[in-house]
Amino acid sequence: SYDLTQPPSVSVSPGQTANITCSGDNLGEKYAFWYQQKPGQSPVVVIYQNTTRPSGIPERFSGSNSGNTATLTISGTQAMDEADYYCQAWDSSTVIFGGGTKLTVL
Amino acid sequence: EVQLLESGGALVQPGGSLRLSCAASGFTFSNFAINWVRQTPGKGLGWVSGISGSGGITYYADSVKGRFIISRDNSKNTLYLQMSSLRAEDTAIYYCAKDVQWAPRGFDYWGQGTLVTVSS
Repeated sequence: SYDLTQPPSVSVSPGQTANITCSGDNLGEKYAFWYQQKPGQSPVVVIYQNTTRPSGIPERFSGSNSGNTATLTISGTQAMDEADYYCQAWDSSTVIFGGGTKLTVL
Repeated sequence: EVQLLESGGALVQPGGSLRLSCAASGFTFSNFAINWVRQTPGKGLGWVSGISGSGGITYYADSVKGRFIISRDNSKNTLYLQMSSLRAEDTAIYYCAKDVQWAPRGFDYWGQGTLVTVSS
């Protein structure tokens, strides 16, 4: 089965850049999606199809996907960005989620 | 405005059955795949099942294959998940999630979720 691996946690200072990675075999050949989930809320897509930012998502969120790694980058991280982030891809008729990364803004 | 409203979650005994519904609005329902995704409180997201826009193609996670059936009624803009032979490990919040295209790829809108608890 196909697996996506994320670091369990990432810490960043306010105003700095946070990079959250998602690794999988030849992930760059697939479309990667990123979701943000805050406590008690449903997930919200912040990046879809590798690099597209939905309307309403701040410009500080960006994505890339190449080789075996997709990366969610949050530039100028704000306290409101503290949340769990999940990557997701589609492989062999199956939707796969990464295990999630807890972003802490210190 | 896209809206997805799940219902049907309940407390059910192991081995029991339950049907979840997801009422959709704000988009052309038949043009998009819809999926069920679950989350055990405090844990990560797990995909359960997806169905193509026409309803003609269905997809399942191995953990639910043979026990759950996904379906949709495009005339009612409603998605369903018939769950049977329920196990304790099926306990979770179940979300419906709209896909970005006619077949499962990834999700641009999520519902608020409905809680399923499997316990005696």
